[in-house]
Amino acid sequence: GAVVSQHPSRVICKSGTSVKIECRSLDFQATTMFWYRQFPKQSLMLMATSNEGSKATYEQGVEKDKFLINHASLTLSTLTVTSAHPEDSSFYICSASGGRGMNTEAFFGQGTRLTVV
Amino acid sequence: LAKTTQPISMDSYEGQEVNITCSHNNIATNDYITWYQQFPSQGPRFIIQGYKTKVTNEVASLFIPADRKSSTLSLPRVSLSDTAVYYCLVGAVGSASKIIFGSGTRLSIRP
Repeated sequence: GAVVSQHPSRVICKSGTSVKIECRSLDFQATTMFWYRQFPKQSLMLMATSNEGSKATYEQGVEKDKFLINHASLTLSTLTVTSAHPEDSSFYICSASGGRGMNTEAFFGQGTRLTVV
Repeated sequence: LAKTTQPISMDSYEGQEVNITCSHNNIATNDYITWYQQFPSQGPRFIIQGYKTKVTNEVASLFIPADRKSSTLSLPRVSLSDTAVYYCLVGAVGSASKIIFGSGTRLSIRP
């Protein structure tokens, strides 16, 4: 099946710094990617929809200036957590769909564990 | 987007068949039903998808009644490695379709 790769798988950063997470579709072109955040024992919460070549669409309550999303190509979307704080510590997951007729399911990355200290 | 309701948790034993039912009373005509599995600290993994009646693949079966207001994921002969959270998702297929996750069902398999 199609593969979506996230990098890094885990990262620890100091409070106040910024962290970039990459999401790549390895064998298909993804016109749309999605970013989720998941806290322990909770479900995935959609943060934003990333569209290639245009601005991301953020869900209600998600600060677009804090969670910067860039979708510069059909295979890469990045999420930058700016001025990270301990409450931003979470599991971040991306997903991608579309391309070559694969429009019936979404493929998820392995997730990035962010710890802000 | 159709809202889904699943049991919060289920327990079973190795070798048993496990059926997880999901309610989606407001499913739309063009909505598909998709189930994902998630292990701790991993992204969700696609299990099965269907529109109506029954779908079967190498890991599971999906039963959908005629009114499509519910669906049942059936896992035959579960093992300890099937312990995970299972999500039922309902929505239109397409590359730009948002996927909104419900609470999921935490399945625990015991020896």
